[in-house]
Amino acid sequence: AQSVTQLGSHVSVSEGALVLLRCNYSSSVPPYLFWYVQYPNQGLQLLLKYTSAATLVKGINGFEAEFKKSETSFHLTKPSAHMSDAAEYFCAVGANSGYALNFGKGTSLLVTP
Amino acid sequence: SQTIHQWPATLVQPVGSPLSLECTVEGTSNPNLYWYRQAAGRGLQLLFYSVGIGQISSEVPQNLSASRPQDRQFILSSKKLLLSDSGFYLCAWGGVGNLQETQYFGPGTRLLVL
Repeated sequence: AQSVTQLGSHVSVSEGALVLLRCNYSSSVPPYLFWYVQYPNQGLQLLLKYTSAATLVKGINGFEAEFKKSETSFHLTKPSAHMSDAAEYFCAVGANSGYALNFGKGTSLLVTP
Repeated sequence: SQTIHQWPATLVQPVGSPLSLECTVEGTSNPNLYWYRQAAGRGLQLLFYSVGIGQISSEVPQNLSASRPQDRQFILSSKKLLLSDSGFYLCAWGGVGNLQETQYFGPGTRLLVL
């Protein structure tokens, strides 16, 4: 079965600092990987998706993620944090069941002035 | 473009009462549909998914049920709510065919069982 682990349930950064949210995956086959963002009391919004076309994936709002097979990682980064980036971030992997994504437990990002 | 709606947005129900949450999708045909629950401080739990009208797969046995009476309508129900049913319920849709398809989420329903 495929799964993801998000390291750090809470991450705090200063406005303007680098954002790094960690995700490691476990998969016996080439995975499809996703990052979603959830703002308070809202649904999840797709940030970006890795489908093996390119290891560096650029998403919305200045975020990007790099697929590293040797490290089984798919970390999410943004060079400069904005206050509006404060939200919950979820990593997900395409599952063998065929129809369900397996989500990580989420990382709450706090951006301080 | 595709849109997904959920209602109600919030709901407060007493223990033992019935539940019906509705999800509808516009702008696509024969989507895969999903119900997730997000409990406070926890991740997403897949409850049900459907690949077509009348076809429901349950991921977690519990007192909830789902139905898909129309192609773009997905309903989550319960005959008797438990306190543990409180949470944020999210509906999502995904494309047909690609087994690793992206899922697109609705705005969610906040359920509080008292």
